[in-house]
Amino acid sequence: ELKVEQNPLFLSMQEGKNYTIYCNYSTTSDRLYWYRQDPGKSLESLFVLLSNGAVKQEGRLMASLDTKARLSTLHITAAVHDLSATYFCAVVRTGANSKLTFGKGITLSVRP
Amino acid sequence: NAGVTQTPKFQVLKTGQSMTLQCAQDMNHEYMSWYRQDPGMGLRLIHYSVGAGITDQGEVPNGYNVSRSTTEDFPLRLLSAAPSQTSVYFCASNHRGTTGANVLTFGAGSRLTVL
Repeated sequence: ELKVEQNPLFLSMQEGKNYTIYCNYSTTSDRLYWYRQDPGKSLESLFVLLSNGAVKQEGRLMASLDTKARLSTLHITAAVHDLSATYFCAVVRTGANSKLTFGKGITLSVRP
Repeated sequence: NAGVTQTPKFQVLKTGQSMTLQCAQDMNHEYMSWYRQDPGMGLRLIHYSVGAGITDQGEVPNGYNVSRSTTEDFPLRLLSAAPSQTSVYFCASNHRGTTGANVLTFGAGSRLTVL
C-alpha cells in the first residue's frame, strides 16, 4: 500500500524568510505532483515531477524529486502572504495509471 | 471550454436519502475520478474510470456507485446516505500537459452534509 507523508502539517512562516517542506512516499512512483488549495476552493496544479533529480520552479516555489530517497521537497524563497494556503503532494504508484494517492497536506501561514 | 463542472455545489441530505453528484468535462479526457476530502485526511480516491464503460474502485468505494456511459460524464451516486459521507467531493479528469505528464484537473467541489 502506498503511503504519502507530508511534514510538518502546519507551518507558520515569517515574511521574507526561506522554508522547505517535505513529502515522503513508501513505494516506487511514476510521477509526483504538488497542488495548492486555498480555503474553500479547489486544487490547483503547481508542479509535476517525473524523474529522479527533476527540479521545477515557479516564482518563489521550487520543487525537487529524489526517487531513490522517495522524497520530494518544496522550497519557498522569501515567503509572502500570497503563499498562505494548503499544499498537497500526490504520488502515482508505478503502474497505477492516473490513481493519485495524496498526503494529508501542509497548511502554510505567512505572517508579517 | 468549461473544464470540469460539478453540481450541486452544496447539498444537505437526511440519513437514508439518495442523491447523485454530477460531473462533466468538455476536454475529451479519458480518465475521470472522484475524491472525497475530509479535515486532516487529505483526498481519498472513491472511484475512477479510464474510459466510457469502464469503472473501478479506489481506496474508499463503500456506499458509492458510479457509471460512465459517455466520455464527458461521470456521476457519483449515494444510494443511502450516512453521516459518515459528510464531506467535500471533488471530481477530476486528466489532460496531458506540455511535458507529457498526466495532470489531474479538479472541479470546484461539492460540499455534502448528511444529517
